[in-house]
Amino acid sequence: TQLLEQSPQFLSIQEGENLTVYCNSSSVFSSLQWYRQEPGEGPVLLVTVVTGGEVKKLKRLTFQFGDARKDSSLHITAAQPGDTGLYLCAGAGRGSTLGRLYFGRGTQLTVWP
Amino acid sequence: GAVVSQHPSWVICKSGTSVKIECRSLDFQATTMFWYRQFPKQSLMLMATSNEGSKATYEQGVEKDKFLINHASLTLSTLTVTSAHPEDSSFYICSAPLNEKLFFGSGTQLSVL
Repeated sequence: TQLLEQSPQFLSIQEGENLTVYCNSSSVFSSLQWYRQEPGEGPVLLVTVVTGGEVKKLKRLTFQFGDARKDSSLHITAAQPGDTGLYLCAGAGRGSTLGRLYFGRGTQLTVWP
Repeated sequence: GAVVSQHPSWVICKSGTSVKIECRSLDFQATTMFWYRQFPKQSLMLMATSNEGSKATYEQGVEKDKFLINHASLTLSTLTVTSAHPEDSSFYICSAPLNEKLFFGSGTQLSVL
């Protein structure tokens, strides 16, 4: 059973388009993190959201944590080829240590020039 | 940011042999490190928490005798896959925490023939 469901699994778009990636669960998380992973590399942290309803922006990336802290979304505006990569969401349960994260399967994003 | 070095990047071995994977924190000390496994099109799954100077903590379903973890210094943790079999083929990644953030190694692709 997958604790965190990410959708879509694959996304292929043209440069300049907008996109949204979803991360859903029936469980409540104390925090949720978004990572980006390149082929043959480890994940790199993009953002951590902690408070229900929280919205964080990182340049053209907007992250939102659901009010109930069960889901999150990542929105990219005017995507660029450099945004290509695997985007992973990861949730931390209540009382969990930092490394005990539950990862989604990821969304593979390809942005064509 | 902090750097976590993982070695080797990939390894091919015969069934029945043992393989050691190293994870080093290059510019900081890590009393705790985490080992994950990632199968194709699957999530990163936490295998164990490596504790410097004491026994590792394994997640449910992970065989302690098969996946030996040693954390002998504040900058090095090793994962040894003993008597490897084809079903152990996977992408293994380590991470180390620093200042409430997780930094990941670049991963090791293990292929057991």
